[in-house]
Amino acid sequence: DGGITQSPKYLFRKEGQNVTLSCEQNLNHDAMYWYRQDPGQGLRLIYYSQIVNDFQKGDIAEGYSVSREKKESFPLTVTSAQKNPTAFYLCASSIQGMRTEAFFGQGTRLTVV
Amino acid sequence: QQQVKQSPQSLIVQKGGISIINCAYENTAFDYFPWYQQFPGKGPALLIAIRPDVSEKKEGRFTISFNKSAKQFSLHIMDSQPGDSATYFCAASKGSNYQLIWGAGTKLIIKP
Repeated sequence: DGGITQSPKYLFRKEGQNVTLSCEQNLNHDAMYWYRQDPGQGLRLIYYSQIVNDFQKGDIAEGYSVSREKKESFPLTVTSAQKNPTAFYLCASSIQGMRTEAFFGQGTRLTVV
Repeated sequence: QQQVKQSPQSLIVQKGGISIINCAYENTAFDYFPWYQQFPGKGPALLIAIRPDVSEKKEGRFTISFNKSAKQFSLHIMDSQPGDSATYFCAASKGSNYQLIWGAGTKLIIKP
């Protein structure tokens, strides 16, 4: 089955630690995205990548980093510089941009303890 | 000017009724307006989308109405069912192919 897989589903992090969220897709999509979702707010774009070895900052990139070494993979690292990292993180992919249908993973809920 | 304002924040509708969710925008450069549906613990999924050259688009029980002069668009769910209970997000895009401006979401509950 084609789709987009995020892991883990739940993640706990101690303050001061970096953590990496995994996102893999087998849809052969060029574009991939990371969003953050907080209660009562819409999705906010962290980073996006149009093509392998290229990525762009979104609206809230501070404290996050990404890589796009393979077409199917777009991991997100939440660094200790992110002051309020507790949130629901969503990865998405699309054929070519968000003006085509975007497919989302099931999300990773990160909690800082 | 980059905002998309969505209302209501939450909505309770009886089974069989019509659910209506509204969105408003300021930037007249927006030219793509999708609606996404999200169930608890899942990622959003595209429900229906419209471009400003049409005033209405219907897919099954779901209809988008678009009022370009008022800079508003809305989602209507006819014959609402308990399975429609979810959070609905409107969004808008202008030019940039890779960014959407999202509304804050509407939590819809359909009572049996």
